Amino acid sequence: DAKTTQPPSMDCAEGRAANLPCNHSTISGNEYVYWYRQIHSQGPQYIIHGLKNNETNEMASLIITEDRKSSTLILPHATLRDTAVYYCIVRVTTQGGSEKLVFGKGMKLTVNP
Amino acid sequence: EPEVTQTPSHQVTQMGQEVILRCVPISNHLYFYWYRQILGQKVEFLVSFYNNEISEKSEIFDDQFSVERPDGSNFTLKIRSTKLEDSAMYFCAIDGVKTTYNSPLHFGNGTRLTVT
Repeated sequence: DAKTTQPPSMDCAEGRAANLPCNHSTISGNEYVYWYRQIHSQGPQYIIHGLKNNETNEMASLIITEDRKSSTLILPHATLRDTAVYYCIVRVTTQGGSEKLVFGKGMKLTVNP
Repeated sequence: EPEVTQTPSHQVTQMGQEVILRCVPISNHLYFYWYRQILGQKVEFLVSFYNNEISEKSEIFDDQFSVERPDGSNFTLKIRSTKLEDSAMYFCAIDGVKTTYNSPLHFGNGTRLTVT
């Protein structure tokens, strides 16, 4: 089962910042938080990931609380093309060492004009 | 961002037939994965593949499924005898950078399998 909880949906106005929350209260000390999004039925698109420090890249910023029990994905200037299902995922390390992502239901972000 | 090409984009097959879904990463990577998504449902892990063998598989990945890298580049998922419930989007994924721990997975755009 997914180790994260997200609200099922959120609306945002075009051009405004979109702040997407995620709870992961059972996260372990060495587990990373990953964010992906899926537009229509395309393959999940990687956005960003982090362990404990805040992270920023060309797509988004990731803010992780000090206790690591929750995080927020920030899209600084949302566009209509950012409308998608966003997944907050805690990476699980398998016994074989591979990177297993357990997807939850995600959160549908709708950016409105 | 590494590219992953999946073929075909859409496969229609009759129940009981064998299908092979293909994944071609743009360069060599360590880990390969297959995920699937039944229409309207969650993305589900099927199997991970490392060093030419299965690293982990889910309970979905039963004896009807197999994976291989026949020529060192293509990564294939074979369903031996398809069932109606195998209808889904199948996504191949690779790790982003072959030597970096915790590199993110990158997914292809999937193959839509329709079993009739």
